[in-house]
Amino acid sequence: EVQLVESGGGLVQPGGSLRLSCAASGFTFADYAMHWVRQAPGKGLDWVSAVSWNSGNRAYADSVNGRFTISRDNAKNSLFLQMNSLTSEDTAFYYCAKADRGEVPSDHLDHWGQGTLVTVSS
Amino acid sequence: DIQMTQSPSSLSASVGDRVTITCRASRSVGTNLNWYQQKPGKVPKVLIYAASSLQSGVPSRFSGGGSGTYFTLTISSLQPEDFATYYCQQSYSTPHTFGQGTEVEFK
Repeated sequence: EVQLVESGGGLVQPGGSLRLSCAASGFTFADYAMHWVRQAPGKGLDWVSAVSWNSGNRAYADSVNGRFTISRDNAKNSLFLQMNSLTSEDTAFYYCAKADRGEVPSDHLDHWGQGTLVTVSS
Repeated sequence: DIQMTQSPSSLSASVGDRVTITCRASRSVGTNLNWYQQKPGKVPKVLIYAASSLQSGVPSRFSGGGSGTYFTLTISSLQPEDFATYYCQQSYSTPHTFGQGTEVEFK
C-alpha cells in the first residue's frame, strides 16, 4: 500500500523558513516524480512544485520560485520542500503527491499524503 | 502559465441527476487534463486522467471528455457520496495549474 506521510509543518513568523519532509513507502520511490500541492484553509488546490525521479528536472509555481526548493533522497525514500522568506500567503496545508510516472511534466497525481499545516503569522 | 477555468463554481443537484462540469484552458493542453474529487476534510483523489481515462476503482458513472482547451466531467447519475468539490488540472506543462474548483451541493 502506498503511503505518504508529511511532517515539518508548524507556526513560523513572516520572513522565516521551514523545511517540510515526506516519507514514502509501498512503492519504488526512485521511479516516480513527486509533487507538492498546497491548499489554504477553505480554498482551492494550488500546485507548488515537482521533481523528477532522478532530480534532473525541477519545476516551481511562479509564486514560490526563488523562495522554495524541492529535493529528494531516493536512498531514504524521502521528499523535501525548503521554504524561505515565508509570507502569510504561504499559509496552507501542504500535500506531497506521487505522480504516475518519473518525468516532469508529469501526468496525474495518483496518491496523496494527509498534509501538514504551515501557518505564517507573527 | 496556462490558466484553468472551471464552470460553474458551484451547483446544486439531486440524487440521480446528470451533472456536467466544464474546464477551459487558456491554451491547448492536448489531452493532458485530470479531474480530482475532494470531500470535506479529505485528501484529493484522482477520478479521470488523460482527459477521459477512468482511474482504477472509480465508478463508471464518472466520465471525462474533451481535448485542446475544452473539457468536461460528467456524473451520469449523482449519488450521495458524490457531493464534493471537483478540480481539473492540466499536466501538459509546468506549472501544473488547477482550476478553481466546482462545489457540488445537495439541492
